[in-house]
Amino acid sequence: DAGVIQSPRHEVTEMGQEVTLRCKPISGHNSLFWYRQTMMRGLELLIYFNNNVPIDDSGMPEDRFSAKMPNASFSTLKIQPSEPRDSAVYFCAILHTGYTGELFFGEGSRLTVL
Amino acid sequence: QQQVKQSPQSLIVQKGGISIINCAYENTAFDYFPWYQQFPGKGPALLIAIRPDVSEKKEGRFTISFNKSAKQFSLHIMDSQPGDSATYFCAASKGNYQLIWGAGTKLIIKP
Repeated sequence: DAGVIQSPRHEVTEMGQEVTLRCKPISGHNSLFWYRQTMMRGLELLIYFNNNVPIDDSGMPEDRFSAKMPNASFSTLKIQPSEPRDSAVYFCAILHTGYTGELFFGEGSRLTVL
Repeated sequence: QQQVKQSPQSLIVQKGGISIINCAYENTAFDYFPWYQQFPGKGPALLIAIRPDVSEKKEGRFTISFNKSAKQFSLHIMDSQPGDSATYFCAASKGNYQLIWGAGTKLIIKP
């Protein structure tokens, strides 16, 4: 089973607050992605980890965003301080171990920053 | 050159009809073309994918048609059902981790 558990599913916070989004692949995976989805910009890759190391963080909007993957079964995406323009659905995804190119996405964390 | 252009933005099809969504790309280095399906409140899920060495791939009611010379590929949904109502994304990659996504097509199947 290659599912991905994300938490929280919904987060409403006020501008300036710190937000931490969590991702737990059900079975440990070496490749993990964080995506952001908005109506205006579609699906954007924020960061890609391989073997727990950030390989491509060129999509991270700015220094307010940071991501960690301390082990193959856990990753966090932190926004500090949050701004209204960060409102979006944030997805965590893992790459199929057989590399068919298939990404398995979690159900997402919907963030609203007031 | 990195873009994947998807059309239409939205589509309404009668139940039992054929839904067709088109994508075009520029980068000839792309060698993997998946379609993802996304239901409200869920993450995208792989529906079907094709590599450029074939012109068509069919899985059940879903078919990808691929035209390498025109740099276009399309998703056909035969006998469209209300349960097919979702947002569909095409994508392309060069065989690495980086997927270039289309903007998405919101498909509504009317009963």
